[in-house]
Amino acid sequence: AQSVAQPEDQVNVAEGNPLTVKCTYSVSGNPYLFWYVQYPNRGLQFLLKYITGDNLVKGSYGFEAEFNKSQTSFHLKKPSALVSDSALYFCAVRDGAGNMLTFGGGTRLMVKP
Amino acid sequence: DVKVTQSSRYLVKRTGEKVFLECVQDMDHENMFWYRQDPGLGLRLIYFSYDVKMKEKGDIPEGYSVSREKKERFSLILESASTNQTSMYLCASNDAGRSNQPQHFGDGTRLSIL
Repeated sequence: AQSVAQPEDQVNVAEGNPLTVKCTYSVSGNPYLFWYVQYPNRGLQFLLKYITGDNLVKGSYGFEAEFNKSQTSFHLKKPSALVSDSALYFCAVRDGAGNMLTFGGGTRLMVKP
Repeated sequence: DVKVTQSSRYLVKRTGEKVFLECVQDMDHENMFWYRQDPGLGLRLIYFSYDVKMKEKGDIPEGYSVSREKKERFSLILESASTNQTSMYLCASNDAGRSNQPQHFGDGTRLSIL
């Protein structure tokens, strides 16, 4: 069975500071990893994915994520946070053979001016 | 851009009613999914469909059924609604032929069962 852990329910950062949202995963095959963002009263929007190749993945809105196979982690990062980045962030995983995603519980990011 | 449209943003129903949630996608995707979202639990898969009339149970199918009569439409049915089915329901789709592609989500239906 595959699983995802997002250990922080909420992350608080000041605008302009770097941010990290943590994600660790467990999957039997090669992991396909995704980050999604959800703004209030909206569905999930895709941010970035890791399938294979370079461990540092760049995505939308200046976000990036680092895949670390030995630590089974896929942390989301941004060098300089914006107030508009405040939202709910979800990490998700599936193995290469499957269609079904498993999501983490979500992390609320609060960026204060 | 992929468009996934859920028919209702907010819905209020009574215990015991049969409830239909509708989802339509406009990108000819083979795969469609129904999730429910609850605080702290993330998204949990209810049902998945990989083709017309084909379905697979997800993690929490009890109390739900689905219908996929046309490729673009995937319906979630609460056979006899109960208060513990009060939740946000999200529909998603993606292209089965491109297995590394992300799922595209609708804006959700917030369902309250009284």
